[in-house]
Amino acid sequence: QTVVTQEPSLSVSPGGSVTLTCGYNSGSVSTSYYPSWYQQTPGQSPRTLIYNTNTRSSGVPHRFSGSILGNKAALTIAGAQADDESDYYCMLYLGSDSWVFGGGTKLTVL
Amino acid sequence: DVELVESGGGLVQPGGSLRLSCAASGLTLRNFWMSWVRQAPGKGLEWVANIRQDGNERYYVESVKGRFTISRDNSQNSLFLQMDSLRVDDTAVYFCATLLYGEPRWDSWGQGTLVTVSS
Repeated sequence: QTVVTQEPSLSVSPGGSVTLTCGYNSGSVSTSYYPSWYQQTPGQSPRTLIYNTNTRSSGVPHRFSGSILGNKAALTIAGAQADDESDYYCMLYLGSDSWVFGGGTKLTVL
Repeated sequence: DVELVESGGGLVQPGGSLRLSCAASGLTLRNFWMSWVRQAPGKGLEWVANIRQDGNERYYVESVKGRFTISRDNSQNSLFLQMDSLRVDDTAVYFCATLLYGEPRWDSWGQGTLVTVSS
């Protein structure tokens, strides 16, 4: 069974930095899985933040960045703000019939 | 402005059927792959299905294969999801979204429509 793993919850202080990770139970995450990241606040639709590992979507602040760290995809928020408090989902493209989201990370800014 | 508006959700008994619609404005749907993505109450996102611009390629998550059918009517700028043999675990908010397949990523999202499967 394909499982994409994320930290269930993380916290960061305002102005601080935090890194969310995205792993894969069948091996290392690479750029060939085109990792992407989505932000969602309760009751809202998802918003695309990062795609193709490290490309920011239009209008996304530069404090959001994507990368590969070790064997995982990563989303780093530098200089966190209060309105960054959201759920964050990574997604790996594993084939034309396999688009798999991670379980999500609930980020608290406090 | 781009807007995707889903409709057709509601309460249905296990084994029943529903047809979801997604109406697009501010963009020409025929230019995009389209997707349905769902989210069970209090849970994460799950990709459900994709359809190519001309409707001739369709892909589904394993759990809905044989029960759900994604389709589109480009003349009406609309996307559909026919859901048959519904199960309790299909209960979710269903979002439609434009898919930029070459990147690959979802770009524009609708606000979602709630499907509740319960007796």
